[in-house]
Amino acid sequence: GQNIDQPTEMTATEGAIVQINCTYQTSGFNGLFWYQQHAGEAPTFLSYNVLDGLEEKGRFSSFLSRSKGYSYLLLKELQMKDSASYLCAVSPWMDSSYKLIFGSGTRLLVRP
Amino acid sequence: DSGVTQTPKHLITATGQRVTLRCSPRSGDLSVYWYQQSLDQGLQFLIQYYNGEERAKGNILERFSAQQFPDLHSELNLSSLELGDSALYFCASSARDSTDTQYFGPGTRLTVL
Repeated sequence: GQNIDQPTEMTATEGAIVQINCTYQTSGFNGLFWYQQHAGEAPTFLSYNVLDGLEEKGRFSSFLSRSKGYSYLLLKELQMKDSASYLCAVSPWMDSSYKLIFGSGTRLLVRP
Repeated sequence: DSGVTQTPKHLITATGQRVTLRCSPRSGDLSVYWYQQSLDQGLQFLIQYYNGEERAKGNILERFSAQQFPDLHSELNLSSLELGDSALYFCASSARDSTDTQYFGPGTRLTVL
C-alpha cells in the first residue's frame, strides 16, 4: 500500500526556521515533491528530490533519505506569507503512471 | 501563474446533474493529470492522459470520465452527481510521461446541492 505521513499543523514565529517532516511507505519510488498550497488555491511546486541529500533553493531546502523513507522541508527566515499548507507527495511509479500520491498536508501558521 | 488554465472556476449544481470541467495544459506539455481535493481528504489522483491516450486511473468513480483532445486540452465529466462529489478539482500538466514536475491549474470548485 501507499502511506504518507506528515504533521497536521505547525506554528512558528516570523523570522524563525521551521522543519516539516514527511515519512512515506510506497511500493515504488521515483522521487518526492514538496508543494505549497494557500487555502482555496492551486498547489505550487517547491522542490523535488530523487537522490539522498539536501536540495537548497533560496529560503527553502528539502532533504531526502530513501533508506529511511523520510524527507523534510526546511523553511528559513519565515515570513507571514509562508502561512499555508505544505504537501509532501511521492511519485511511486504505479500502473505505468507517474501520478503523485499526496500526504494530507501540514498547515503552517506563522505568527508575528 | 502556472500556465495551466481551468474553467469554470466555480460550479454550483444539483444532485443527479452532469457537469464538464475543462483544462488546458501548459504550452508544450503532453501529460494531464486530474486530482480531487475534498475537505476531509487530501489530493487524490483520479486519472492521467498522455498525448491523447489514457495512461492510468486512480480512485475515479464509474460516474466520472475524462478525455484528452488532439489539441491536448482535457475534460473531466462528472455525472449523476452526489453531495459527496463537492470538492476542488485540479488538473496538472507535465512535459512528458515522466517525473517532470506537475504544474497545477487554479482548480474548479464544485458544489453539489
